[in-house]
Amino acid sequence: GIQVEQSPPDLILQEGANSTLRCNFSDSVNNLQWFHQNPWGQLINLFYIPSGTKQNGRLSATTVATERYSLLYISSSQTTDSGVYFCAVVRNSGAGSYQLTFGKGTKLSVIP
Amino acid sequence: GAVVSQHPSWVICKSGTSVKIECRSLDFQATTMFWYRQFPKQSLMLMATSNEGSKATYEQGVEKDKFLINHASLTLSTLTVTSAHPEDSSFYICSAPRGRVRSGELFFGEGSRLTVL
Repeated sequence: GIQVEQSPPDLILQEGANSTLRCNFSDSVNNLQWFHQNPWGQLINLFYIPSGTKQNGRLSATTVATERYSLLYISSSQTTDSGVYFCAVVRNSGAGSYQLTFGKGTKLSVIP
Repeated sequence: GAVVSQHPSWVICKSGTSVKIECRSLDFQATTMFWYRQFPKQSLMLMATSNEGSKATYEQGVEKDKFLINHASLTLSTLTVTSAHPEDSSFYICSAPRGRVRSGELFFGEGSRLTVL
């Protein structure tokens, strides 16, 4: 199946700092999404971004499909940004080509 | 607001009992839904794909007789953990694609935390 690698696995930021999270994937994709899992376990949709660039407030994301990576930018981080950020993809073809495959996540801790 | 709703959020049961978890798409129809399981500090692992009007497709290593899936309508899928044991304790979460299965945006329910005593 498709491999999804996220980096870094852990990140500690001072409140107000900026950060970039990376997601590499091993095959072409139909779908790529970024999620934030809050402390209660709920997955919050951040971006649906199989290609291109999108922005939503302090967050933005870029996917370069031809080079098989996506980046999530967090600017002016706040303590409420803490949690685990997941990248997930749907493979373009072949086995499992309708399943959302998750990376292992980046655990972000924003300290005051 | 939420587009996929999951119930119950928390459940505690005795070993040997069965537990049913419901997953509903609230403002769209979903012929396909997905059930995931997440262990503490780990990523989400796909358990099975729920198909409206037909049998579910289970991932390798997932016991279909233990995790019964029923996709009764275009907005409801249920996961029943049968004869639950402590090792079944986990966080179960469902998702549904809005739009095409392969390319539509997926939305997740709130998750159900199961504790088997």
